[in-house]
Order: sequence, then structure tokens, then C-alpha cells
Amino acid sequence: SQQGEEDPQALSIQEGENATMNCSYKTSINNLQWYRQNSGRGLVHLILIRSNEREKHSGRLRVTLDTSKKSSSLLITASRAADTASYFCATDETGGGADGLTFGKGTHLIIQP
Amino acid sequence: DAGVIQSPRHEVTEMGQEVTLRCKPISGHDYLFWYRQTMMRGLELLIYFNNNVPIDDSGMPEDRFSAKMPNASFSTLKIQPSEPRDSAVYFCASRKYRAGTEAFFGQGTRLTVV
Repeated sequence: SQQGEEDPQALSIQEGENATMNCSYKTSINNLQWYRQNSGRGLVHLILIRSNEREKHSGRLRVTLDTSKKSSSLLITASRAADTASYFCATDETGGGADGLTFGKGTHLIIQP
Repeated sequence: DAGVIQSPRHEVTEMGQEVTLRCKPISGHDYLFWYRQTMMRGLELLIYFNNNVPIDDSGMPEDRFSAKMPNASFSTLKIQPSEPRDSAVYFCASRKYRAGTEAFFGQGTRLTVV
């Protein structure tokens, strides 16, 4: 079953603008991760935020986590054409759950030049 | 390390045929995962191994699917017999620890069953 649900399903913005994607999940987690998938390629890890963290930065990426709302957001600032890809959130569940990450269906981001 | 290596990249087969997908995980990673990706269902976890031992195969859709990991550097996912609804992209991923670490994905095998 799906754990994370990304919103929106698709997002199209102009180059240079900021892109924000949201993720909601259902169970208690150890951490939440964001991945990027370029067309026809495998997923690539972007950033990991632990359940006791509220915000994390990596370059142009900013991730927030609200465990009370079971939600996370990924902000990409100053978007570039190369950021066009699908973005997935994934969770590591607590309580002896599966050892595999549970992924949402992703947000397809298109950066218009 | 070259990362997670999957083969073949593309596979087209006829319904009823046996299909074998292969994966070489990153050396030193204790966990190996097989995922299936479709537009309708997204990324689904099929099965995963810890130290070459299958731990959870509850995501395997049917008995037609089987997976093995004979050693730490090789795993296979087999579909026998294949059906058109098995058409999808199959990913192998590995990670070093149970939780709290990133997963490294292979490039995937795009399977088309006609």
C-alpha cells in the first residue's frame, strides 16, 4: 500500500521560479527521504530528514517535516530546466515495519525555459 | 563502485515466456530490494533480502514471480510464465542498513510482454 502521497501530481513553472511539492504519509516514521527520477532512469536520493528534525537544507533544496501533521514539503529554489523530473517522497516506518522504503506516486515537475 | 547494476535494460518477450531480470547490488550493502513501477500503481516493493536471505515477499503479486539471491553480489527476479500485465519497469535497489540510510537504485529493466 502507498505510504506517501505527493501533491500536486504535476507542476509546471517557469525557469527561475521556486517549486514546492508536498508529501503526506500515514504511519509513524524514522525518517523521510526525497528522491528524483529523470525520465527513463532510476531514482536518485536527494535528501533525508529524520523524525526529530523540522527543516533541512541542501544546496537549492529545502525540506520541512511536520510529524504532527504527517507531512513534508520539498522546495526547490531558483529552478532550472535540468530540475525537470519526477520527485518522490519515501518513508522509513517505525515499529519494526518493512525494511524497504515506501514511496508515493510522485510529483512530475516541468521547468519551462 | 559502479552503483547498482541491472540487466537487461530492456526486455520484450511474448506472453507465456520466462523472463529473468538480474541485479548486482553495491558491495557492502546488506539489503537488496526489488521494486516494480507502473503509471497506475507507482513504485511497489515486491521483495527484499537481508544478507542474501529473503525477508518479506508479501509484495510479490503471484506465484509466477520468484526471486533469489545466491550470494551477496547477485540477485534475480524471475517471472514464469509472463503475462502482458507484468509489463512495467523493474528496479533493484540496495542500502547498507535497515533504516536511516539512502537507497541506491539501478537504472531499471523495462519489461514489455506482448
